[in-house]
Amino acid sequence: GENVEQHPSTLSVQEGDSAVIKCTYSDSASNYFPWYKQELGKRPQLIIDIRSNVGEKKDQRIAVTLNKTAKHFSLHITETQPEDSAVYFCAASRGAHYGNNRLAFGKGNQVVVIP
Amino acid sequence: EAGVVQSPRYKIIEKKQPVAFWCNPISGHNTLYWYLQNLGQGPELLIRYENEEAVDDSQLPKDRFSAERLKGVDSTLKIQPAELGDSAVYLCASSHDYQGETQYFGPGTRLLVL
Repeated sequence: GENVEQHPSTLSVQEGDSAVIKCTYSDSASNYFPWYKQELGKRPQLIIDIRSNVGEKKDQRIAVTLNKTAKHFSLHITETQPEDSAVYFCAASRGAHYGNNRLAFGKGNQVVVIP
Repeated sequence: EAGVVQSPRYKIIEKKQPVAFWCNPISGHNTLYWYLQNLGQGPELLIRYENEEAVDDSQLPKDRFSAERLKGVDSTLKIQPAELGDSAVYLCASSHDYQGETQYFGPGTRLLVL
């Protein structure tokens, strides 16, 4: 099955700086890659996702890039704010085309924004 | 639009006791998922339903775990008997249908087995 790994496990950044989290995946057939943000004790919330026919997607201060050849995708947060502090999970799935929407999650990255 | 609803939010039981979790997905979402999330880990799929049918339950420990979604809306996940290692957060998620990849999560049920 799919194996998703995230790096680094913990990331501390100064407020206003950028944060980058990288994920690698193993299944070359994966074509859907969402990122979830989870604050302590709360539900995972989708913040951005990308499909394999797109190399980059941006939403305000958040962007995701995908390199299918290298099988990795990254989350970029610019102008970080204290409310960006959370655990971020990446995931991958083959999506609807295979009738299999099983998401494989990474272990998560703890992002700490230092005021 | 109301999100995915789960209850209870917290549950403390003694080992060997049964426990049940309930999930109400987003209205109109045909696909429902149950995930297990251990501390410091990402969610792991237990079972996926398309309407009433369990289409992916390969990771559900069937000796003690069971689930149902009788009318294709609400779902219940049961553990009987619970073990110490079952302490975790049980998350429910839903998506529009098998062609909708975006999954929306509920707040989870935090289970502590003593």
